[in-house]
Amino acid sequence: EIVLTQSPGTLSLSPGERATLSCGASQSITSNYLAWYQQKPGQSPRLLIYGASNRATAIPDRFSGRGSGTDFTLTISRLEPEDFAVYYCQQYGDSPYTFGQGTKLDFK
Amino acid sequence: QVHLQESGPGLVKPSETLSLTCTVSGGSIGTFYWSWIRQPPGKGLEWIGYVYYTGTTNYTSSLKGRVSISVDTTKNQFSLQLSSVTAADTAVYYCAREPKTRYLYGSVSYAFDFWGQGTMVTVSS
Repeated sequence: EIVLTQSPGTLSLSPGERATLSCGASQSITSNYLAWYQQKPGQSPRLLIYGASNRATAIPDRFSGRGSGTDFTLTISRLEPEDFAVYYCQQYGDSPYTFGQGTKLDFK
Repeated sequence: QVHLQESGPGLVKPSETLSLTCTVSGGSIGTFYWSWIRQPPGKGLEWIGYVYYTGTTNYTSSLKGRVSISVDTTKNQFSLQLSSVTAADTAVYYCAREPKTRYLYGSVSYAFDFWGQGTMVTVSS
């Protein structure tokens, strides 16, 4: 099973700042099938990025993903108040699909 | 707009079977993969398994032997059964859609693009 490790565990920033979240895989991810999700309290996850770098429908362009193989990043260029949430990476190239443990983005 | 809705008992006794259904509206259940994912209180996400509209399934190894996912295309529903539950199975259970096409030498997938709102299941006597 592919283990995904996200860092940092918590990221404390202010609106307007740039956020960079990392996701490392224990082995290369097939077809770079790496997704990023945002989850707010009491809500289901929302797909932000699929295929490492493709924005999902209706996702603002301040969200961007990049990476390949075992190292991936999610960047939020200028944080809006609604972006403070927990972010998960997920690989769906090999079974079993696996998720990272999450990065909490909170207000500084 | 596609909508997924989980339904089922919120309380299950230890050693019994957890049964949930996900109803898909606003679109066909055909040609997609349908997954169950769970999230224990305050913790991260765990993929349980998926079913294709043809009935093909795939499960995470840690739950194999206890889990079964089935599909009913006539009702646009798919279901989860998890047997011999313990307190460790207490979680919010989500259903989700994965657009995926398989080819002879691979597949093309777009991750989980639609999710249900989730349903909390507590295992307790």
